[in-house]
Amino acid sequence: EPEVTQTPSHQVTQMGQEVILRCVPISNHLYFYWYRQILGQKVEFLVSFYNNEISEKSEIFDDQFSVERPDGSNFTLKIRSTKLEDSAMYFCASRETGGRQPQHFGDGTRLSIL
Amino acid sequence: DQQVKQNSPSLSVQEGRISILNCDYTNSMFDYFLWYKKYPAEGPTFLISISSIKDKNEDGRFTVFLNKSAKHLSLHIVPSQPGDSAVYFCAASALYISSGSARQLTFGSGTQLTVLP
Repeated sequence: EPEVTQTPSHQVTQMGQEVILRCVPISNHLYFYWYRQILGQKVEFLVSFYNNEISEKSEIFDDQFSVERPDGSNFTLKIRSTKLEDSAMYFCASRETGGRQPQHFGDGTRLSIL
Repeated sequence: DQQVKQNSPSLSVQEGRISILNCDYTNSMFDYFLWYKKYPAEGPTFLISISSIKDKNEDGRFTVFLNKSAKHLSLHIVPSQPGDSAVYFCAASALYISSGSARQLTFGSGTQLTVLP
């Protein structure tokens, strides 16, 4: 069964450094998402991406964050200058079409900021 | 943000019995609801969903019930198996003009289900 893949599984970065999290969504999917889960908290929406542009972003997704689909397969989340509070699990998800369809999630990247 | 609430952090059930997981929501705009299962060190795995035009959806051992007037949904697992032990998340989405059909998910806090052999 097709799946969403994320790399790396664990990223350790010094505070203030830039980090790029990578995702390969399911190949025929058109909608892409990033979510995060801080330890002990809910899974929170960060951003959605469709037709090569951001369609919605949460208030968490400030100027330090950016997303890109650099080619036909990858979908990346960049954090420009990491803060301690960015430590979390980051999940990528994709959805095939618009409408009431489920999103399918990758296994996440654990980001640890030192 | 408490738009989706799962009030039971944990639930233990005997193997073979029914597991009932509950979820409440407050946002009347939600029209699509999903249940995900999550094992440690894995991402959420989609289980079953229901549209607001229905009140029940069934898939094998899993049935989701939606009570729109009460803004409540539940997931029934019958019979429960030890492999069902995981965290179960309720999630909801709405169609907002601002985001087109992006339909970002709002999650509950999850319920840890333990099925005892």
